[in-house]
Amino acid sequence: NAGVTQTPKFQVLKTGQSMTLQCAQDMNHEYMSWYRQDPGMGLRLIHYSVGAGITDQGEVPNGYNVSRSTTEDFPLRLLSAAPSQTSVYFCASSFLGSRGGANSPLHFGNGTRLTVT
Amino acid sequence: SQQGEEDPQALSIQEGENATMNCSYKTSINNLQWYRQNSGRGLVHLILIRSNEREKHSGRLRVTLDTSKKSSSLLITASRAADTASYFCATDAMFSGGYNKLIFGAGTRLAVHP
Repeated sequence: NAGVTQTPKFQVLKTGQSMTLQCAQDMNHEYMSWYRQDPGMGLRLIHYSVGAGITDQGEVPNGYNVSRSTTEDFPLRLLSAAPSQTSVYFCASSFLGSRGGANSPLHFGNGTRLTVT
Repeated sequence: SQQGEEDPQALSIQEGENATMNCSYKTSINNLQWYRQNSGRGLVHLILIRSNEREKHSGRLRVTLDTSKKSSSLLITASRAADTASYFCATDAMFSGGYNKLIFGAGTRLAVHP
């Protein structure tokens, strides 16, 4: 079982460049989410999805876009990278509980370390 | 703003000792979860405790929940060097879409010395 797979593992961008962080899961989880982790800040929720075609914003959505065309994939797009987006990005998925993903344990990928210069 | 806050921020102990980490949160919850993160890796789920539960055990882990004080604690007994990691609590919070989401605290860094 691959679990949650994130690619790439590392990325360096220049300010203004765009890129897509990939996330795929093979556990048939309805719920998928993106978090960013910064020193001393813990993890902050960027966007989440409760199924194909359904996405919504989290705590820090500005500068990021998402879409969910399949159950397995949930890519995160940075349209115009900024130095403030330097961070470690984690994708996580779970089954959808009665009130959303917060009722089920999250399965995390190993992260994408992004540096924007 | 963050829902959960861990205390202490860092903890250093010797192998064999117990490690206690605390989490406080601000609003009512349905459940609280604890996660572990080894350096350079993703988070791994440890335990989930529901709001109507007061204590839960899993191996050497013991989690308590006091909803009146809006706090939880994670106890690791007989710690090992392999327990060295960061530990996070996460609580559910309602978002505008009507679904509860997990909000994480800043974590406690635990170092267990041989």
